[in-house]
Amino acid sequence: GQNIDQPTEMTATEGAIVQINCTYQTSGFNGLFWYQQHAGEAPTFLSYNVLDGLEEKGRFSSFLSRSKGYSYLLLKELQMKDSASYLCAPRGGYQKVTFGTGTKLQVIP
Amino acid sequence: GAGVSQSPRYKVAKRGQDVALRCDPISGHVSLFWYQQALGQGPEFLTYFQNEAQLDKSGLPSDRFFAERPEGSVSTLKIQRTQQEDSAVYLCASSLGTSGSTETQYFGPGTRLLVL
Repeated sequence: GQNIDQPTEMTATEGAIVQINCTYQTSGFNGLFWYQQHAGEAPTFLSYNVLDGLEEKGRFSSFLSRSKGYSYLLLKELQMKDSASYLCAPRGGYQKVTFGTGTKLQVIP
Repeated sequence: GAGVSQSPRYKVAKRGQDVALRCDPISGHVSLFWYQQALGQGPEFLTYFQNEAQLDKSGLPSDRFFAERPEGSVSTLKIQRTQQEDSAVYLCASSLGTSGSTETQYFGPGTRLLVL
């Protein structure tokens, strides 16, 4: 099975940097996704990590350590529109992606 | 199409009714997934299709849930004899391929099901 742990809620200030951590245990590992989900909307793709290290994409970066079962999502220059839930989703067995409960991020002025 | 579409967007059913939820994936996408999302939770995997083949249905909560994708494109999730605990958002996602970055799943807007 798969066990995913990420903080339930976080608050950060507009313009700041925030790091959302995720630890996971999977039976097999074939990559990890991060998705953003605004309230009442469908999840949208942010990043995909297969190898260890940092992947940077604009204001968003994602890090993976396979040996530690650990990933984080880094959001820079926070904007009010970044207020959303962020879902950590490791891919374990064949094609099966398991989503965490998500971290609800609130960006305040 | 431009994205994954789902219909209906909202469905209210009386307990015991059967419902059918439709998903139109992005054209050419091989893989199709169904998820159930309860309020405040992440999406929970229900089932997975590769073309018309249902390769994994381990997440279907009971035999009242049935999914099909007969021609490898449109999929239908059917729930028989709905119960109040079935109330949730049902998300459909599709991905282009089956390896690497082609596995990125693109989600539809979801069907919000309320069972009274």
